[in-house]
Amino acid sequence: GAGVSQSPSNKVTEKGKDVELRCDPISGHTALYWYRQSLGQGLEFLIYFQGNSAPDKSGLPSDRFSAERTGGSVSTLTIQRTQQEDSAVYLCASSSGVAMGNEQFFGPGTRLTVL
Amino acid sequence: AQSVAQPEDQVNVAEGNPLTVKCTYSVSGNPYLFWYVQYPNRGLQFLLKYITGDNLVKGSYGFEAEFNKSQTSFHLKKPSALVSDSALYFCAVKSGGSYIPTFGRGTSLIVHP
Repeated sequence: GAGVSQSPSNKVTEKGKDVELRCDPISGHTALYWYRQSLGQGLEFLIYFQGNSAPDKSGLPSDRFSAERTGGSVSTLTIQRTQQEDSAVYLCASSSGVAMGNEQFFGPGTRLTVL
Repeated sequence: AQSVAQPEDQVNVAEGNPLTVKCTYSVSGNPYLFWYVQYPNRGLQFLLKYITGDNLVKGSYGFEAEFNKSQTSFHLKKPSALVSDSALYFCAVKSGGSYIPTFGRGTSLIVHP
């Protein structure tokens, strides 16, 4: 079975441009998370989707960041007017159901470089 | 509120020796604790978890972790380290009805031949 996939694997962009990062979760997983991992740092939570509920956007660092999840499956993280400090690896994870004990399955990440 | 601490940025161990990667947590309510491993240029991979029951949890690749409620710890252990265990290890906690885990900063494990 396929795991979580993310595209592109690498993205280089110029400061001020918009970027879209895509995540395909494991089929049937209702929960989807986005994280940011900067060099040498831990995971910074960005946003959480669960089924058809309103997403938890409490981790988004600014209004330049937004995300959507279409049809309860694929998710897109959009960063507008990128800044150099946005350079990081963006990780997507999914998990099944709403049980607290469910572990997360992570994708390989998208490495974003803003020049 | 929930938090997790990994007090060591790096752990060095010789191949064949036992290893321990430390994790302590702070929660309101019962904790749900997880360990993940990240190999270079890869996403995180689930190793093991504690939900309830036996304090000693066994997971993938020979790893185990011991839940200690009085010390609020969940240290990751392996009896005999392999060079291939070298990676970044993350501890995570959920509690109080929050479905969003809090991750530690990660510990880099280096196993020397």
